[in-house]
Amino acid sequence: DAGVTQSPTHLIKTRGQQVTLRCSPKSGHDTVSWYQQALGQGPQFIFQYYEEEERQRGNFPDRFSGHQFPNYSSELNVNALLLGDSALYLCASSFGLTSGANVLTFGAGSRLTVL
Amino acid sequence: ELKVEQNPLFLSMQEGKNYTIYCNYSTTSDRLYWYRQDPGKSLESLFVLLSNGAVKQEGRLMASLDTKARLSTLHITAAVHDLSATYFCAVDRNSGYALNFGKGTSLLVTP
Repeated sequence: DAGVTQSPTHLIKTRGQQVTLRCSPKSGHDTVSWYQQALGQGPQFIFQYYEEEERQRGNFPDRFSGHQFPNYSSELNVNALLLGDSALYLCASSFGLTSGANVLTFGAGSRLTVL
Repeated sequence: ELKVEQNPLFLSMQEGKNYTIYCNYSTTSDRLYWYRQDPGKSLESLFVLLSNGAVKQEGRLMASLDTKARLSTLHITAAVHDLSATYFCAVDRNSGYALNFGKGTSLLVTP
């Protein structure tokens, strides 16, 4: 049973460029959340997608946007990259919007370096 | 704003010793999670604590939750090298999977 898969695993961009990260949720999951983890820090919630709509959003600027497709996969887009956007971007999947006793399943992440 | 504070942030301990990691949070919450992260790897779920007084144990790790004190602990018993990792607590304020993480506790277990 495949877990959460993310691509690419590593990428390097320059300031001002745009990046798209991709995520396929675990089989049976329909909700995707994105987190940013800076070096030495805990993950920070970016946003969550369910039924192809953004349902919750953390404290991130509009440069960060996303999309969810009918097959539940998701993309994270970041425009006008800044040096501070360098981080590990984690995708997590779950079933439904209410966690109950469930937990998020995290992918291995996409490490973005902005030069 | 929900704040989650862990301490210590760094912990070096000898094999066979016991220690406790603390997680304090600033507002009421529905649930608290503990995750483990190995270097360069993703997050692995350890425990989810759903109610006041909840206690869960897995191997040498035991987690507890005191919602009145807004405190969770992760107790390590007779540490072994394989437990070396970074441990995060996370609070889910609205049961909607938008987790607020602490900064993590980097644990190193030495012979």
